[in-house]
Amino acid sequence: QQPVQSPQAVILREGEDAVINCSSSKALYSVHWYRQKHGEAPVFLMILLKGGEQKGHDKISASFNEKKQQSSLYLTASQLSYSGTYFCGTERLHDMRFGAGTRLTVKP
Amino acid sequence: NAGVTQTPKFRVLKTGQSMTLLCAQDMNHEYMYWYRQDPGMGLRLIHYSVGEGTTAKGEVPDGYNVSRLKKQNFLLGLESAAPSQTSVYFCASSPLATDTQYFGPGTRLTVL
Repeated sequence: QQPVQSPQAVILREGEDAVINCSSSKALYSVHWYRQKHGEAPVFLMILLKGGEQKGHDKISASFNEKKQQSSLYLTASQLSYSGTYFCGTERLHDMRFGAGTRLTVKP
Repeated sequence: NAGVTQTPKFRVLKTGQSMTLLCAQDMNHEYMYWYRQDPGMGLRLIHYSVGEGTTAKGEVPDGYNVSRLKKQNFLLGLESAAPSQTSVYFCASSPLATDTQYFGPGTRLTVL
């Protein structure tokens, strides 16, 4: 079953923050986050492997709540280059399922 | 390193025709995946492989077959193409299931 992402779309001004949520009805082994720009392949952002784990680089970070089967991606002080569609992927026994995506638009 | 490459980049088929999409990776990865992506939707896993000679079904395997005869190649076949198979197909590879997936540039397939 595919994870559920929210919101479906968000529009920001440069410098604003955003949170993208990802939830699953099944137990998770790992959560992957990818960003895809229009007409391009998805590009890896980060993976969280265990409950309670938090990761981040630059101004993008993520958390994984294993008990709630949820993950959140945090984008702070957004830049124009952050625009794109963000996907979470939940991996369970080699099988990867992606959410429908969150379209993020950052405007000047 | 070329990473993950896919051929062809574009293809138009008529209903009932067959074709094979080729994915190649030069990173010595064990895991390889085939996804399809339809407009406004996320990636859906078609088939995957956990090593040379192995394949397994993903979320939407019907109408597709795969083979992994060599570790670096993962082939996706459509025996009798249908309009519902019009999509963008992405191949990916990773060293482990719980590791980064590296995606190819995609193949845009249209079935008329």
